[in-house]
Amino acid sequence: DAGVIQSPRHEVTEMGQEVTLRCKPISGHNSLFWYRQTMMRGLELLIYFNNNVPIDDSGMPEDRFSAKMPNASFSTLKIQPSEPRDSAVYFCASSPGTGGETQYFGPGTRLLVL
Amino acid sequence: DQQVKQNSPSLSVQEGRISILNCDYTNSMFDYFLWYKKYPAEGPTFLISISSIKDKNEDGRFTVFLNKSAKHLSLHIVPSQPGDSAVYFCAATLGGGADGLTFGKGTHLIIQP
Repeated sequence: DAGVIQSPRHEVTEMGQEVTLRCKPISGHNSLFWYRQTMMRGLELLIYFNNNVPIDDSGMPEDRFSAKMPNASFSTLKIQPSEPRDSAVYFCASSPGTGGETQYFGPGTRLLVL
Repeated sequence: DQQVKQNSPSLSVQEGRISILNCDYTNSMFDYFLWYKKYPAEGPTFLISISSIKDKNEDGRFTVFLNKSAKHLSLHIVPSQPGDSAVYFCAATLGGGADGLTFGKGTHLIIQP
């Protein structure tokens, strides 16, 4: 039984380049969350979807960040253009979406912007 | 303005003893609280949770206590084992757990043999 799948696991890119992070939630889960972990700010929520619809994107830092969920089994987080301060570990998590339940996290994507 | 605070960045406990990790929150609207455990290069894994209508929840060696009046929760691990060495995150949410999580910055627990 596969958990949350994220790709790539590591990404190194140069400032100004576009970065796309991918997430496949657990089958049957209706909610999907994107988090970012940095030394300064810890783990913070960027955006979450319920039934493929964005519910709260107040954590998205800037217009350079965008997220989509075209179907129940796939989501992307895009940074365009990327900056060195975007370097962080990005986690995707999913949950059944009915409330009062656990969020299951993927292994994360470690992003380094040079 | 951190809404969830873990004031101890690290904690060292002897194997077999009790580990107590603490967490404070400021938003009285939070109604669901969780503890996650994280190993290096892995995503956080769920440990235990508690609803705001309860003051205690127990699962094996792990017990979470909630003091709503003090806006404080704690995680007790008894007895502590070497495999418990990890970073522990306290998290809180609204909407009974359906919303995104607000995390503390974590406490690095080190279990010494």
